[in-house]
Amino acid sequence: DAKTTQPTSMDCAEGRAANLPCNHSTISGNEYVYWYRQIHSQGPQYIIHGLKNNETNEMASLIITEDRKSSTLILPHATLRDTAVYYCIVRVGPAKGNTPLVFGKGTRLSVIA
Amino acid sequence: DVKVTQSSRYLVKRTGEKVFLECVQDMDHENMFWYRQDPGLGLRLIYFSYDVKMKEKGDIPEGYSVSREKKERFSLILESASTNQTSMYLCASSFYQGYGYTFGSGTRLTVV
Repeated sequence: DAKTTQPTSMDCAEGRAANLPCNHSTISGNEYVYWYRQIHSQGPQYIIHGLKNNETNEMASLIITEDRKSSTLILPHATLRDTAVYYCIVRVGPAKGNTPLVFGKGTRLSVIA
Repeated sequence: DVKVTQSSRYLVKRTGEKVFLECVQDMDHENMFWYRQDPGLGLRLIYFSYDVKMKEKGDIPEGYSVSREKKERFSLILESASTNQTSMYLCASSFYQGYGYTFGSGTRLTVV
């Protein structure tokens, strides 16, 4: 699986968009980008994933560059409840029998009132 | 919603005890996982299972074993608890690998 690089921490003002970057310059053609987050004292929570097209769901948007070497998770209107550690993970697509997710250190996002 | 239930939120055990951590999921997921999380080290995979009676070692299986006799239940066993196994233990399940992991609330185990 491709290695990812994320900033250790970021701050964001409440109500503003939070843009969390992730570099994955060694990503392969069949590898997806997954985002999870972990709110303090809880288990990680799936947010979104994508291959090459931008994706949006009720939680966030995922923007993947054309060369797929980096991506950005966007929380459009951050709230205090979005304070969490955000993990960017790159690996092959969803299928039965693939090896499990490996979580790195992630980015600690602090949303400030 | 898929629920993953871990039997205990907090647990205190003595060194040398055999410890069982139980995890149950209610959505017929085939894949189940045990991770531990320590400050500065992130989540590390201990064991996982693709199906009943199947198990695979993760990155740090030493000192642990697992049991999956039924599809919905995945147990983590500490054969002889040691203080360096004091940690937060997280169970997860999924139908497909990669996305859709659902985690339990975690068990904070303290070995004294």
